[in-house]
Amino acid sequence: GAVVSQHPSRVICKSGTSVKIECRSLDFQATTMFWYRQFPKQSLMLMATSNEGSKATYEQGVEKDKFLINHASLTLSTLTVTSAHPEDSSFYICSARVGQGWDYGYTFGSGTRLTVV
Amino acid sequence: GQSLEQPSEVTAVEGAIVQINCTYQTSGFYGLSWYQQHDGGAPTFLSYNGLDGLEETGRFSSFLSRSDSYGYLLLQELQMKDSASYFCAVIEEDTGFQKLVFGTGTRLLVSP
Repeated sequence: GAVVSQHPSRVICKSGTSVKIECRSLDFQATTMFWYRQFPKQSLMLMATSNEGSKATYEQGVEKDKFLINHASLTLSTLTVTSAHPEDSSFYICSARVGQGWDYGYTFGSGTRLTVV
Repeated sequence: GQSLEQPSEVTAVEGAIVQINCTYQTSGFYGLSWYQQHDGGAPTFLSYNGLDGLEETGRFSSFLSRSDSYGYLLLQELQMKDSASYFCAVIEEDTGFQKLVFGTGTRLLVSP
């Protein structure tokens, strides 16, 4: 089946530094990648949608200058949390749409646990 | 904006049947999916309803009523390993592209 590989699985960084999270589609081409954030015991909140070769579309309330998304190829999308602060500590997870037409689904990366100290 | 409401927590015993409801308000509705997530893990796909009615996949079934903006996930023959969070998710079309928006989530606790 379609697999999305997400790295790193865990990262601890100092406040004020930047962290890059990568998601790679291993056996399919991901034209569109979705990025979610999940705080403990809460739902997955869609942050942005990245499309290969074009600018990402951010959900309302998500700072695009803080959460930089790059989707430079059909197999790689990255999320960079810039100038991270403790309130950015969360579980970040990517998802890609797999399939065409009416026969499609969504596959998820394994997630990245970010802790900002 | 969109909203998807679920009960926050449901408890049941092994072997029982449990139903998790989801009511939604959204524009550009395409279909309703259900996902399971264990603590610290990624969501895994359980079921999808694009049309009204019941879809059955093994011990799990899902139902959709578009006219009522309502759906549910039915879990039968509960097992301890079913203890997890369950999310309904709407496939929504917005400005020409589709996105997956998650509900508030229901924590299911299965006891012996």
